[in-house]
This record gives sequence, structure tokens and C-alpha cells, in this order.
Amino acid sequence: SQQGEEDPQALSIQEGENATMNCSYKTSINNLQWYRQNSGRGLVHLILIRSNEREKHSGRLRVTLDTSKKSSSLLITASRAADTASYFCATSGYSTLTFGKGTMLLVSP
Amino acid sequence: GAVVSQHPSWVICKSGTSVKIECRSLDFQATTMFWYRQFPKQSLMLMATSNEGSKATYEQGVEKDKFLINHASLTLSTLTVTSAHPEDSSFYICSARDTTLVAAKNIQYFGAGTRLSVL
Repeated sequence: SQQGEEDPQALSIQEGENATMNCSYKTSINNLQWYRQNSGRGLVHLILIRSNEREKHSGRLRVTLDTSKKSSSLLITASRAADTASYFCATSGYSTLTFGKGTMLLVSP
Repeated sequence: GAVVSQHPSWVICKSGTSVKIECRSLDFQATTMFWYRQFPKQSLMLMATSNEGSKATYEQGVEKDKFLINHASLTLSTLTVTSAHPEDSSFYICSARDTTLVAAKNIQYFGAGTRLSVL
């Protein structure tokens, strides 16, 4: 069964606004990762946060992890039209990744 | 670095034919590659883990005789959809891990995907 569940399923914002996506999971993890997928393309790794970390930054991305609540959030600040894509969280066990259903983000100019 | 090439990007075939999809790691060696299937606006579902020099590990419900995986070298894994039928139409994506990078060993690098349409 799928491990991660993102919400919202879809998010529409204006350029310059911040976008926040949430992910919940069910079992223990080694790490949690966020990936981005442009329409009809493969996935691109954005950021990885380990189970003993609470927050991580990379450029305009900020990821938090709350293992007690089994949840994570991805914040994209100062969004751009080019950020339009689907965003997936993925939980990592030993070697495989289990993906959530994703959040479709639309950033309008 | 860490580029994965997948070919073809799009294939249309007649029902009953077989289709081979290639996944290559261009600048690193990948002992393990993964094959996923994605339906429109859905998540990625792991089909199998491809191991260089040994048999692939298939996820529950995935027919190994239907989806043949060969990982004959450290840079190439192939997925063959045998006797394809319209219900096999989907987006297939491969990924690979660069296990030589300690800091990035858990990250998967994805190919661009193959859209299969079976008529």
C-alpha cells in the first residue's frame, strides 16, 4: 500500500506567493524525500531529510519532518511559474522508495 | 552527474507484440535499478527492483513473465513488455541509485519515462 499521502491534491497560486504541501506516512522511515515531476517527464530529486532531522533548507525549499506525527511539509517560497509541476513525497525503507499520490502545483504569472 | 537515460520516450505498438524499454546510467554504475509504472495523474507504483547479474525482485501482483527485466551490465537495465495488450498502456519510468556516493546513496535518479500505447 502507498506510504505517503500528500495534501492538497492540487494547489493554485500566483507568482511570488509561497506554496506549502504536506505529506503523511504510516510506518517508520529511514528518510523522507521530495521529488518533482514535470508533466510527462521523469522525477527530479529535490531534497532528502533524515529521520533524525527536523528541518532542512535548499535554496527556496524548506522541508520539515515530524516523526511523532509521521508527517512532512515542503514549502516553496517566492514561487515562480517554472515551479509548476507535481510534487511527490517518498519514504525510504531499506532500498526502495514508496511514493505518495502527489500534489499538482500551478503557479500563474 | 547522475544522469539516467531512458529509451524510447514514446512507443505505439499493436496488441500482441513485445516492447523493450532501455534504461542506462550514463555517468555512474548502478548495481540496482528500479522500474515504475504510472497511470495518469496517479503516483508511481514500483514494479520491480533490477539487480545487476541476478534476477529481478518483483513487487506483489506484477507478473514476471509479462514484464521481463534484464540487468546484464552495471549501466543498463531493460524492461520488456511481452505480448502487450491495451491494458498495459501506461507511463513506465526507470530509476537508478549511485551507491558509490555515500551521501546520496538513498537518492534515486530517474529516466524521462516511456509512454507506451498499445492499440
